[in-house]
Amino acid sequence: AQSVAQPEDQVNVAEGNPLTVKCTYSVSGNPYLFWYVQYPNRGLQFLLKYITGDNLVKGSYGFEAEFNKSQTSFHLKKPSALVSDSALYFCAVRARNTGGFKTIFGAGTRLFVKA
Amino acid sequence: GAVVSQHPSRVICKSGTSVKIECRSLDFQATTMFWYRQFPKQSLMLMATSNEGSKATYEQGVEKDKFLINHASLTLSTLTVTSAHPEDSSFYICSANQGLVQDGYTFGSGTRLTVV
Repeated sequence: AQSVAQPEDQVNVAEGNPLTVKCTYSVSGNPYLFWYVQYPNRGLQFLLKYITGDNLVKGSYGFEAEFNKSQTSFHLKKPSALVSDSALYFCAVRARNTGGFKTIFGAGTRLFVKA
Repeated sequence: GAVVSQHPSRVICKSGTSVKIECRSLDFQATTMFWYRQFPKQSLMLMATSNEGSKATYEQGVEKDKFLINHASLTLSTLTVTSAHPEDSSFYICSANQGLVQDGYTFGSGTRLTVV
């Protein structure tokens, strides 16, 4: 069955330090993978997606994610965190199954960046 | 940059009535729009993909007759919740892109639906 897991409900990081928000998935077939961010009082925003090609995907606001097929992971990373990165992050996987395409979202990871 | 306007931002309706939510791309043409539902405790669900000039593609488990989607123009998609029930109360969000693989997705600000 198709699934996506964000194993951490919350991630705390100091400003200037690298950050990682983890995402693992389970699908049959080739996945499309996405990261979204929801800032407080600002709505949902798209960060990046992996469809095919280069495993390292660069997105908005300096974020990047690496598609790792062997580990079925798509972790979100940023070399140097900003306080303004504090938000709720969602990973999503889209894949074709017997009934058609389905997109599953992770439960979300809340990122806190401390000054 | 690309802007998506969603209207209304909040709506309260009585059980059994229908509610229409509009999603407009203001400064670009959106061949594809998406409708999501965000449940309490933050979980998101993609409901359907709205394709301009053709039928919407619904995700597995989403009732087509319950959630009617119309994408009549390149700048407007509507979601109608028919015969609403309290369990339909939720936060509905739309997004749009220009249909190119490399494009990102721009989200509307969402609609809080409360069915009483």
